[in-house]
Order: sequence, then structure tokens, then C-alpha cells
Amino acid sequence: GQQVMQIPQYQHVQEGEDFTTYCNSSTTLSNIQWYKQRPGGHPVFLIQLVKSGEVKKQKRLTFQFGEAKKNSSLHITATQTTDVGTYFCAGGAGNMLTFGGGTRLMVKP
Amino acid sequence: DAGVIQSPRHEVTEMGQEVTLRCKPISGHNSLFWYRQTMMRGLELLIYFNNNVPIDDSGMPEDRFSAKMPNASFSTLKIQPSEPRDSAVYFCASSSQTGGATGELFFGEGSRLTVL
Repeated sequence: GQQVMQIPQYQHVQEGEDFTTYCNSSTTLSNIQWYKQRPGGHPVFLIQLVKSGEVKKQKRLTFQFGEAKKNSSLHITATQTTDVGTYFCAGGAGNMLTFGGGTRLMVKP
Repeated sequence: DAGVIQSPRHEVTEMGQEVTLRCKPISGHNSLFWYRQTMMRGLELLIYFNNNVPIDDSGMPEDRFSAKMPNASFSTLKIQPSEPRDSAVYFCASSSQTGGATGELFFGEGSRLTVL
């Protein structure tokens, strides 16, 4: 079955440093979604990418979808303490959505 | 809109007891998902429904788990009998699925289950 891997599992950064999490699928995806889960909270949708090579920005967050539609990344510029949480990618293939294991981001003030 | 509503928020029970978790999806959404989240295994899809029909239940751990969706506004996940290894946060999510592709998932706040 489809597998979605995410690295790293954990990342500690100093406030103001950049952060990147990577997502890789074992199969070609039709779309990729990104979610953020704050500690003690529930996953909240951030964005969906559909096109090969697509890049989208939300303020300090930049999302990329690979040319082969098998990988994706989320980059945060100049992290803030409010960025703390776990970031999940979810790969869509047909009507199935498979979540990666998540990257837990910790930010030191 | 009130969003996806789950109950109970917290449940502590003893091994062997029956547990029923409830979910009310967002009105108008045609897909409903049950996920389980643990530190060890992350977010696992247990089952999903489309138009109230179970489409994929391959993630349901074993016969102790069952899920129903009697109508578009209600779903239950039942564990009978419960075991300590079932302790986890159970999330319900709903979405509007069009053209065979799953759209944005809206998650409920989760039900934290502890089985002693």
C-alpha cells in the first residue's frame, strides 16, 4: 500500500532560525495536503498542492510539490514560538489520504 | 458552523468494558473518517465512510472495533471489549469529497481514551 514518510521526526530550532520538513511518498500522488497540530490540539488544514512543481506561500511558510509528484516540503522562515507544533503531510491518491508520521517542531525563545 | 463535534472528550474505563465514541460531522460533508493517534504509531486511519457507506475499514485493528454511520449527521466507533493498548486519542474528521478526490479534512477535537 501507499506509504508516506516524513523527516525529520523532531527539530529543535532557536527562534528566528529557519525550519524545513520533507515528505516522500512511495507512489505518485494526485495531491498533497499539509496540516499543523498544536500540542494537545487537533490537526488543522494548512494547504493543498495539486500541480507538479507547484509552490505556494503563506506568509513565512513555503510549500513545494515535487516535479514527479512523489515528494513535498514545508519551509518556515524565521521561526516564531507560535510555530510550535507537529506538521503533517498527507498524500492523496484517488480517494485515499495517507498521513506521514509528522515532524515535531520545538522553538527555543 | 460548529465544526466536527466529538464526544466524550475524555474517557477512562477499565479493561473489558465497552467504549462508544461519537461524532457529528459538518453538515453537507459526504465523507467521514475515524483516526487513532498514539505516540508510537502516529495518525492511523481506522475507517472511512462516503455517503454513509463504509468504503475502507482495513485500518480497523480487529473484531473488537466496529463503526457505524446510520445517517449523514452521526457516526459511532465502538470498542468491545476494550484493552489497555487501545488507549489513544481518537479523531473524527469530515470532508467534502468531489470527483473521487478527498478534500480538506476538518478534524474534531478528539476523544482521549484511557483503558486501565
